[in-house]
Parts: sequence; C-alpha cells; structure tokens
Amino acid sequence: DTGVSQDPRHKITKRGQNVTFRCDPISEHNRLYWYRQTLGQGPEFLTYFQNEAQLEKSRLLSDRFSAERPKGSFSTLEIQRTEQGDSAMYLCASSLAGSVGEQFFGPGTRLTVL
Amino acid sequence: RKEVEQDPGPFNVPEGATVAFNCTYSNSASQSFFWYRQDCRKEPKLLMSVYSSGNEDGRFTAQLNRASQYISLLIRDSKLSDSATYLCVVLGGGADGLTFGKGTHLIIQP
Repeated sequence: DTGVSQDPRHKITKRGQNVTFRCDPISEHNRLYWYRQTLGQGPEFLTYFQNEAQLEKSRLLSDRFSAERPKGSFSTLEIQRTEQGDSAMYLCASSLAGSVGEQFFGPGTRLTVL
Repeated sequence: RKEVEQDPGPFNVPEGATVAFNCTYSNSASQSFFWYRQDCRKEPKLLMSVYSSGNEDGRFTAQLNRASQYISLLIRDSKLSDSATYLCVVLGGGADGLTFGKGTHLIIQP
C-alpha cells in the first residue's frame, strides 16, 4: 500500500507527558498537512509543509505543539505537556503542490490523554 | 460565525431516493470548493471538486453559488453504500489548509 501512513494508530498518555506522532506521506507528494478532528467535528487544519519548509501554522497550534519535516519526506508532530483537551484524532494528509484540494489522508493517530 | 456551516443531520433517506445537502461559507475570498466523504472511523476522502459551472460525476452533482456563498451536493438513486458523513470543504482566502464543515451525516435505509 503506497498511501499515507501514520504511527502509532492509538496513543494513551497521562496528562503532562510528551507524545510524538509520525506521518509518512505518499512519496511523490511535496505537501504534507496535519489536522485534528474531534467527535462530531470536521478536521481542523493545524499546519502544513512544502518539502521541508513549514509554510503555515494555524492559531490552533499552541506553543506546546511542534511539527517537523526535516528531509522533506516523513513528518513528526510533537505535543508537549499534554492536556485532556488534546484528546483527538490527529490526521496527516499529503498532496502535490499543484493539487492542494486533493489531499490524501492517513488513517490518523487517536490520542487519549488521561 | 463558523467559516463553513452545514446541517449535521442525520438525514435518513430510503434507498433509491434523491437527497441534497448544502453548505455556506463565510470567506468571500475562498477560491476552491470540494466535497469529501468520511465513513465511520475512517479518514476523509475526496468525493468531488465543485466548480462555478457545476459538475456531475455519475449520481453525484455539485454546484457552487459564489454570490450567495453556497455549495450544494445532490445524490440521485441513493445506495446503501452512500451512507457516510459528507464534508463541505473550502480552500483559499489566505490559507492553504482546507477548511472543513462539521459534516452532514447521511443514512440510507433499505
């Protein structure tokens, strides 16, 4: 399967701990996006990269969140000092720069903060 | 006011019927519009793009009214497999991330 993959699929952590998620996009896609989705809501945009450059960050992305894409391939999203309100599905998507409306999503990482 | 607003439903529709749902968007600078489909506990997937001239893909027809900032999706001859959440999506207006509505939950009943 050459789609978008995410790891882990589920993460349970205690409040105050740090967590890191990984996303591997479709190999030829130069854009990579992170979204967060909670129950009954649509995905909310967090940030995106074009190659290794982080070009946009939503105001939803507090200073406890950091994302990287060091070599322009996979990306990591780290949440420091997790809070119960961080519990959500974290979705990664990728696209070609010329087709930003056609984003391919991974299966997501479900985070539960106890 | 939410940037993209949709009626969350659920819409309960008998198999074979025609169903339509709409959404409105607030940012008049938005440039591109899409419908995504999300099955229960799955990731969203692009269903179709929405063009000013309207577009059709099989049983699905999408329309855009820029003056009213309104997008619609029509599903004809609905199938059981059409049961899903349909997400109205807007791109542009100063941001390159997609802006999603909450989604409309559609249930096709046999």
